[in-house]
Amino acid sequence: SQQGEEDPQALSIQEGENATMNCSYKTSINNLQWYRQNSGRGLVHLILIRSNEREKHSGRLRVTLDTSKKSSSLLITASRAADTASYFCATDQVTGRRALTFGSGTRLQVQP
Amino acid sequence: GAVVSQHPSWVICKSGTSVKIECRSLDFQATTMFWYRQFPKQSLMLMATSNEGSKATYEQGVEKDKFLINHASLTLSTLTVTSAHPEDSSFYICSARVGLAGGITSYNEQFFGPGTRLTVL
Repeated sequence: SQQGEEDPQALSIQEGENATMNCSYKTSINNLQWYRQNSGRGLVHLILIRSNEREKHSGRLRVTLDTSKKSSSLLITASRAADTASYFCATDQVTGRRALTFGSGTRLQVQP
Repeated sequence: GAVVSQHPSWVICKSGTSVKIECRSLDFQATTMFWYRQFPKQSLMLMATSNEGSKATYEQGVEKDKFLINHASLTLSTLTVTSAHPEDSSFYICSARVGLAGGITSYNEQFFGPGTRLTVL
């Protein structure tokens, strides 16, 4: 079953704008990871944030984590047409299986 | 980073036939591999957990007799879709998790294969 939801389900912006995606989850986690998937392709690991971290940066990506609200956000700054893809959050839960549990995903369209 | 391969990358088969998909960790040993399925415009759903040398653990609703998983070595897991039907058409993705003794990471990092697109006619 899916751990949580992402919003928005779809997002369309112009090149140069920032894109923010949110992820909510249900159970305690060890870490939360963000992945990108181009249409019909495999997953690309973007960034991992541990449960004791609140914010992390990687290039144009900024991830926040609020464990009290069980939520995370991914911010892509100065977006490019090449950022067009689906973005998924995935949680590594404290208990139970060690598989990642994926959110529902956000489809981002960046218009040139 | 560690590399996971899948073969084939795509396959088209007739209804009723069986299809085998391989997942290999190329430069590390994977104590655990996971198989996910992704239908169009949906997220990844875990099908089963494959541990080397033991039986796979299937998620609720996944038929173990239909989706046969074999994890014969620390670098190879196979998923066989038996008697495939059109509703089995999907994108199948594996991931490999290195054990703590593997030395690559200290957390539950998983490395994903590129996926296999199965189309059943």
